[in-house]
Amino acid sequence: DTGVSQDPRHKITKRGQNVTFRCDPISEHNRLYWYRQTLGQGPEFLTYFQNEAQLEKSRLLSDRFSAERPKGSFSTLEIQRTEQGDSAMYLCASSLASGNTIYFGEGSWLTVV
Amino acid sequence: DQQVKQNSPSLSVQEGRISILNCDYTNSMFDYFLWYKKYPAEGPTFLISISSIKDKNEDGRFTVFLNKSAKHLSLHIVPSQPGDSAVYFCAPPFFGNEKLTFGTGTRLTIIP
Repeated sequence: DTGVSQDPRHKITKRGQNVTFRCDPISEHNRLYWYRQTLGQGPEFLTYFQNEAQLEKSRLLSDRFSAERPKGSFSTLEIQRTEQGDSAMYLCASSLASGNTIYFGEGSWLTVV
Repeated sequence: DQQVKQNSPSLSVQEGRISILNCDYTNSMFDYFLWYKKYPAEGPTFLISISSIKDKNEDGRFTVFLNKSAKHLSLHIVPSQPGDSAVYFCAPPFFGNEKLTFGTGTRLTIIP
């Protein structure tokens, strides 16, 4: 399978714990995006990378959130001191820098209890 | 301030009939639009796109129409099938910006 893959698919954590999600983009794609989606909303942009450089961050990305893409391939999204409001589906997507279309992974569900 | 809006949160259509999903946009600089389809607990999948140099793009049962003067696009699905039941999002082609992002989606339910 050469699509975008995300791990884990589901995570239940206690409030205050840290969680980390991983995303492996389509191999030739140099842009990688993180989105968050809650019920009744469209995907909300969080951040994106071109190669290893983080080029844009949303205001939604509080200081408890950090994303990295150290080698320009896979990326991690870490949420520190999770809160119940962080419960959502976290979506990763990738694209070519020259492309008009982004391709999503299956998403990682986070439930904070 | 969303620049892409889907004003119908839900739509129910009889199997075999035509489904029409609508999307309005405000920025006349947009020159490309995409439609994504999302099943519950899965990521969105790319469905079809249209460039502003066209007013129609067709792919099998799916056709997207673009009315630039009205800043409106629509997705037609005909004939509708039960597997089309999903949430559909329209999006402009700028994905690295929090302001230029997906509509809120329309939940399509196909009634057998």
